[in-house]
Amino acid sequence: DSGVTQTPKHLITATGQRVTLRCSPRSGDLSVYWYQQSLDQGLQFLIQYYNGEERAKGNILERFSAQQFPDLHSELNLSSLELGDSALYFCASSVGGITGYTFGSGTRLTVV
Amino acid sequence: GQQVMQIPQYQHVQEGEDFTTYCNSSTTLSNIQWYKQRPGGHPVFLIQLVKSGEVKKQKRLTFQFGEAKKNSSLHITATQTTDVGTYFCAESYSGGGADGLTFGKGTHLIIQP
Repeated sequence: DSGVTQTPKHLITATGQRVTLRCSPRSGDLSVYWYQQSLDQGLQFLIQYYNGEERAKGNILERFSAQQFPDLHSELNLSSLELGDSALYFCASSVGGITGYTFGSGTRLTVV
Repeated sequence: GQQVMQIPQYQHVQEGEDFTTYCNSSTTLSNIQWYKQRPGGHPVFLIQLVKSGEVKKQKRLTFQFGEAKKNSSLHITATQTTDVGTYFCAESYSGGGADGLTFGKGTHLIIQP
């Protein structure tokens, strides 16, 4: 157990639907990062939150959004899902700054 | 962040052989991190290198940061089946209140017993 909790572990949904992925960071970590991992694209950075505020955006589609709540857990919302959104979605946390990240076990999203 | 290039993409070795993966950048890196992802698992932080020419060891793993801070390598001596997985290098950056990691595509290590 890495200390970063992601739910659900697996999700199967139809095209056009909306899903919410949840992440609880490691205790004491203020930064949360979301990454998408697909076979052909590797680990792609989506978005970063630090202590409730959005800090950086990567290759995140407009159909995707995220937030970090006062208790520091974060949610990634994916809407109008397409087949190409099928991937592993990882959440990672860190204390902030240039330090190693702790990754959760991921959510495998399958869009059918 | 800059795109870091990793080679090779795949590496097949016999158990007991050595393995090396390389990470290259066209620009100077502030620092580099290495992660390992087992099949079906999540990336796990291995190490961070910051100084020019830095060499760090973790048991059979040796990490190096180039003198010009434009390349890094991970060398595994006498591979074991537990070393199977994908090894990623990642460039870390910080600025404007944000920090993040840009990952290389990874090197998949396949070990034949």
